[in-house]
Amino acid sequence: QVQLVESGGGVVQPGRSLRLSCAASGFTFKNHGISWVRQAPGKGLEWVALISYDGTNKNYADSVKGRFTISRDNSKNTLHLHMSSLRFEDTAVYYCAKVGLPVTSQGFFDFWGQGTLVTVSS
Amino acid sequence: DIVLTQSPLSLPVTPGEPAAISCRSSQSLLHSFGHNSLAWYLQKPGQSPQLLIYLGSNRASGVPDRFSGSGSGTDFTLNISRVEAEDVGVYYCMQALQTPPTFGPGTKVDIK
Repeated sequence: QVQLVESGGGVVQPGRSLRLSCAASGFTFKNHGISWVRQAPGKGLEWVALISYDGTNKNYADSVKGRFTISRDNSKNTLHLHMSSLRFEDTAVYYCAKVGLPVTSQGFFDFWGQGTLVTVSS
Repeated sequence: DIVLTQSPLSLPVTPGEPAAISCRSSQSLLHSFGHNSLAWYLQKPGQSPQLLIYLGSNRASGVPDRFSGSGSGTDFTLNISRVEAEDVGVYYCMQALQTPPTFGPGTKVDIK
């Protein structure tokens, strides 16, 4: 069965960096785009970044552009999100989510991980 | 960016009764391939979102047939034919036609 397991969350001071990871299994990882979606405490869902199945195309929300970098290692079925210059407003649960259709970068997300909490606090 | 609005934002329901949630888009979500790039998710308390409906009206694997999606263009509806207690949570619509993908604000469904 499809599994997405996030890790790397924690408490970090404003301005510092953090790297999140997402370990995937149960599907052909190299064939699917993956996104990061976050949810601030008590709030709705906000898309953060997307990487295409082969890693050649990357897109970012305006709120994180220039600060966050998404990457993937298809040999290890792993996705990463490097977050720098963190702000209080980046505090959220971060989910990795698999694009449902193969090869295409755009599309609905059919599976989500359980999420990892990032708290930006001084 | 495409803006999605949902109504109602809060929906108290009675088990066994039907329920409906509306999602409206600021732009048509009809893809050139003929499908609508709209999905519905349910986030149960303490859980991550789970896919219910994709491409406007296709039920995801394992989703009970009491859930159905309809609509086209800018107006969509999620229907629950007979609500069960396990259906409580927050329902989100999401558009995947354009980047960035965007979500509606969510509709909180709870039992009366």
